[in-house]
Amino acid sequence: AQSVAQPEDQVNVAEGNPLTVKCTYSVSGNPYLFWYVQYPNRGLQFLLKYITGDNLVKGSYGFEAEFNKSQTSFHLKKPSALVSDSALYFCAVRDGNSGTYKYIFGTGTRLKVLA
Amino acid sequence: GAVVSQHPSWVICKSGTSVKIECRSLDFQATTMFWYRQFPKQSLMLMATSNEGSKATYEQGVEKDKFLINHASLTLSTLTVTSAHPEDSSFYICSPSPWGETQYFGPGTRLLVL
Repeated sequence: AQSVAQPEDQVNVAEGNPLTVKCTYSVSGNPYLFWYVQYPNRGLQFLLKYITGDNLVKGSYGFEAEFNKSQTSFHLKKPSALVSDSALYFCAVRDGNSGTYKYIFGTGTRLKVLA
Repeated sequence: GAVVSQHPSWVICKSGTSVKIECRSLDFQATTMFWYRQFPKQSLMLMATSNEGSKATYEQGVEKDKFLINHASLTLSTLTVTSAHPEDSSFYICSPSPWGETQYFGPGTRLLVL
């Protein structure tokens, strides 16, 4: 069965500091991994994805994520946080061998960037 | 690209009435449509999956007669909450899926049932 874990409900970071939002996954087949961001009362916005290839994936707004197969992790990172990055972040996984587009979402991590 | 609209964005209704939510993919065709609901401070829970022209497949615990899904075209899907009750109050998000790996999400509809 597929699952996604985001171990931190909230992450606080000072503006200008690097940030990391953690995600680990479990999938029986090929993992397709995604990060989305949600602002209050809005839908999810796509940030980046890993399907295959380079383990370091670069996405929107300066975010990046590293796929680590041995640790089954896909942590989201940004070198220098902005106050405007404060939002709810969701990690999601899909089994690339399943033949469906069904995603499993993590419980979300609220990022708070302090000025 | 990948613009998704949902209407209405907010709806307040009386208990027992029905509410229809529209989801449109404006610049792509969606062969598959996902409908999610999100309770405050919780993750997205998949309610159902539909393919254009076919009946929707509902997740366990989701009443198909209560949450009617119509995916009549490749750019339009509707979710109707029938005989709404206060416990149906939630944030409903559609996700049209074009051919490819990435899902795109609508801006969501907040439903409040009084």
